[in-house]
Amino acid sequence: DTAVSQTPKYLVTQMGNDKSIKCEQNLGHDTMYWYKQDSKKFLKIMFSYNNKELIINETVPNRFSPKSPDKAHLNLHINSLELGDSAVYFCASSHDREIYEQYFGPGTRLTVT
Amino acid sequence: LAKTTQPISMDSYEGQEVNITCSHNNIATNDYITWYQQFPSQGPRFIIQGYKTKVTNEVASLFIPADRKSSTLSLPRVSLSDTAVYYCLVGGYNQGGKLIFGQGTELSVKP
Repeated sequence: DTAVSQTPKYLVTQMGNDKSIKCEQNLGHDTMYWYKQDSKKFLKIMFSYNNKELIINETVPNRFSPKSPDKAHLNLHINSLELGDSAVYFCASSHDREIYEQYFGPGTRLTVT
Repeated sequence: LAKTTQPISMDSYEGQEVNITCSHNNIATNDYITWYQQFPSQGPRFIIQGYKTKVTNEVASLFIPADRKSSTLSLPRVSLSDTAVYYCLVGGYNQGGKLIFGQGTELSVKP
């Protein structure tokens, strides 16, 4: 059973398009996260939701919009994609907002051409 | 959040013990030290967490001196499958689970 799953695993698209990445966790966790890992392998947090409430919103272009329909799902929608958005996006979850043991998904490699 | 400094890369051979040291001079009183492992094309995986002295689990040990300005992750008898990037993170329990990943240490285990 996959604890944290993401779809799609690979996403190739052109500049200007709008795309979504979906994330689901079956661990019963209250908190979910989106991270971005760039080509230099730096991993940066973008957003965090706790029980569907946004609790971390880093300095990210407003073209990125997270949505949490329920606490088991956290989706990431990206409008007007740019070349610089190319990266691997990881979803993660944790039991609650104060726990540093986070479970990461397999990642979605986004390539913008 | 306290900044961490780790070696960029390390080499080892199978069967050896590997110690990766992380410096965190500005660690705050309520900060914990957490280590993650990341294999190529996978998400990071939690390894171990500690506050002071020594913590051991089935995967690794974490040594933290009294001043807590550094910590050492110890991997006993590494194998080829331990080749990965290891991240040291420092943070407190009042930061909403915000993990700040540094550059990490790329460990290469050779036969």
